[in-house]
Amino acid sequence: NAGVTQTPKFQVLKTGQSMTLQCAQDMNHEYMSWYRQDPGMGLRLIHYSVGAGITDQGEVPNGYNVSRSTTEDFPLRLLSAAPSQTSVYFCASSPLFKDIQYFGAGTRLSVL
Amino acid sequence: AQSVSQHNHHVILSEAASLELGCNYSYGGTVNLFWYVQYPGQHLQLLLKYFSGDPLVKGIKGFEAEFIKSKFSFNLRKPSVQWSDTAEYFCAVNARGSSNTGKLIFGQGTTLQVKP
Repeated sequence: NAGVTQTPKFQVLKTGQSMTLQCAQDMNHEYMSWYRQDPGMGLRLIHYSVGAGITDQGEVPNGYNVSRSTTEDFPLRLLSAAPSQTSVYFCASSPLFKDIQYFGAGTRLSVL
Repeated sequence: AQSVSQHNHHVILSEAASLELGCNYSYGGTVNLFWYVQYPGQHLQLLLKYFSGDPLVKGIKGFEAEFIKSKFSFNLRKPSVQWSDTAEYFCAVNARGSSNTGKLIFGQGTTLQVKP
């Protein structure tokens, strides 16, 4: 049972480059979300989705795009990377009305 | 807007010492409460949760937490810590109701270092 899978695990980008962080879950969870983790700030919600075709913004959505074409996948796109987006990114999923979230292993992103 | 505050940012204890990590939240309605743990190099794992019922909840590895509604608090405790408890601990809150389902608000985190 793979759970929540994130790729890549590490990534280095130059300012202005774009990239997509991948997230896939095999638990048939309706709810998926993206967080960024920064020292002293805990985890902050970037975007979330309550089902295929439905997405919404979290606390810190600027500079990021998401889409949800299938239940399994929820990619996060950085349109034009900035040094302020250097962070560790976590994807999570949960059954829609049960609120226990299952996290992926994270993607460590550095923007130079 | 909901917010979560963890009082201690960095705690250092010796093995066998007792642990209490504070967590307070601001939200006037009904909430679901969580403690997550992140061991070094690993992803977040659920430690324990409170949805309703007995306000004293027990989680994995001997941890427990008490929900005190009047104080908007959900403090984490363990009577005797071990070196393997070294990790970062996050309190999280979710406002009950379908419009907020899944939107967890996290505290800043507390780094616990247990000395052998």
